[in-house]
Amino acid sequence: SQTIHQWPATLVQPVGSPLSLECTVEGTSNPNLYWYRQAAGRGLQLLFYSVGIGQISSEVPQNLSASRPQDRQFILSSKKLLLSDSGFYLCAWSTGLAPYGEQFFGPGTRLTVL
Amino acid sequence: SQQGEEDPQALSIQEGENATMNCSYKTSINNLQWYRQNSGRGLVHLILIRSNEREKHSGRLRVTLDTSKKSSSLLITASRAADTASYFCATPQGGSEKLVFGKGTKLTVNP
Repeated sequence: SQTIHQWPATLVQPVGSPLSLECTVEGTSNPNLYWYRQAAGRGLQLLFYSVGIGQISSEVPQNLSASRPQDRQFILSSKKLLLSDSGFYLCAWSTGLAPYGEQFFGPGTRLTVL
Repeated sequence: SQQGEEDPQALSIQEGENATMNCSYKTSINNLQWYRQNSGRGLVHLILIRSNEREKHSGRLRVTLDTSKKSSSLLITASRAADTASYFCATPQGGSEKLVFGKGTKLTVNP
């Protein structure tokens, strides 16, 4: 069976510090991978998605970046965090096979920038 | 931009009652999905309904889809306190692998 891991679960960082959030998927090959951000009481905003190693599409201009160094690893980074980067970050995967179906989400990382 | 918009934003009911949540969307879709999110957790996929389907059931869940009105509803029958969560609808963006989520309905089931 497939599982998706995210870490850390919670993170408190000062403004201007770097960020690295990691997501890994087990039990599947060549998944589509996604990073979302969810502000308090809001819906999900798609930040990045990837259909393969080294292939990253950015949905929203910001000071965040994403990388996919391995097939089942997706990393969200920032060189200098802003207060507005606070939120709940969710990683998800899908099979990438049309017709496109459900996505499977990780447990999320709660980021607080102070 | 938001494709799906849920209604109501918040719903509070008693255990045993039915809960109905609605979702409206703007463009043509090939499927619509409902997800559940417990507070502070990731989303869990509940049910997917394809554009050529009008109704689908899964346990206590019933989903309808009206493509002429660009709307869907999620009905939870005989609700339980454990159903307390936020519920989101999502639709594929432009037929792609990307999903667009609504802002969700926060359901509270009181014991």
